[in-house]
Amino acid sequence: GNSVTQMEGPVTLSEEAFLTINCTYTATGYPSLFWYVQYPGEGLQLLLKATKADDKGSNKGFEATYRKETTSFHLEKGSVQVSDSAVYFCALRNYPGNQFYFGTGTSLTVIP
Amino acid sequence: GAVVSQHPSWVICKSGTSVKIECRSLDFQATTMFWYRQFPKQSLMLMATSNEGSKATYEQGVEKDKFLINHASLTLSTLTVTSAHPEDSSFYICSANHLAGGPGEQYFGPGTRLTVT
Repeated sequence: GNSVTQMEGPVTLSEEAFLTINCTYTATGYPSLFWYVQYPGEGLQLLLKATKADDKGSNKGFEATYRKETTSFHLEKGSVQVSDSAVYFCALRNYPGNQFYFGTGTSLTVIP
Repeated sequence: GAVVSQHPSWVICKSGTSVKIECRSLDFQATTMFWYRQFPKQSLMLMATSNEGSKATYEQGVEKDKFLINHASLTLSTLTVTSAHPEDSSFYICSANHLAGGPGEQYFGPGTRLTVT
């Protein structure tokens, strides 16, 4: 079956610290992988995605590389800001069906 | 960009009553919409897939008679929680598949907080 496991939070970091949020997946076939971000009081927003092995998704200083050999898609950012405080969801989409499977979310708080 | 709205954003109802939640794609057409349920500090759980002009496909364990889904047009899907009970209290989120955005590009609504008293 399809499932996503991501590290539990909450995570609290100081501004300019390095961020890693681990995500591993189980899937049949060749899924696309996504990171979504949910800011307080808002809906999910696509942060970045990768559609095949070794692809690197990047956006707003965040990066994640699709590692088929380790079935992972870890999210990283070199220097976090207070404005990055949000909940981050790792997700996969597998064919057919176009359905998404989400991890449990990791809450990040960045303090000045 | 593609925007998905939900209405209402927050609703309180009494046990035994029904509540309708609307999901609209504001600037694109969506042949497929999805409904999710999110419990506090938990992940989004897919409830059903809604296809315009046809019956919704429900995930295992989701009661189709309790959670009625209607996808009447290419920009509107509705979820009706019938005979609501306190255990139905949750955060309901819809998403719409934007074909022009590429395969699998989905845009999420802001969610609807349902509280059943």
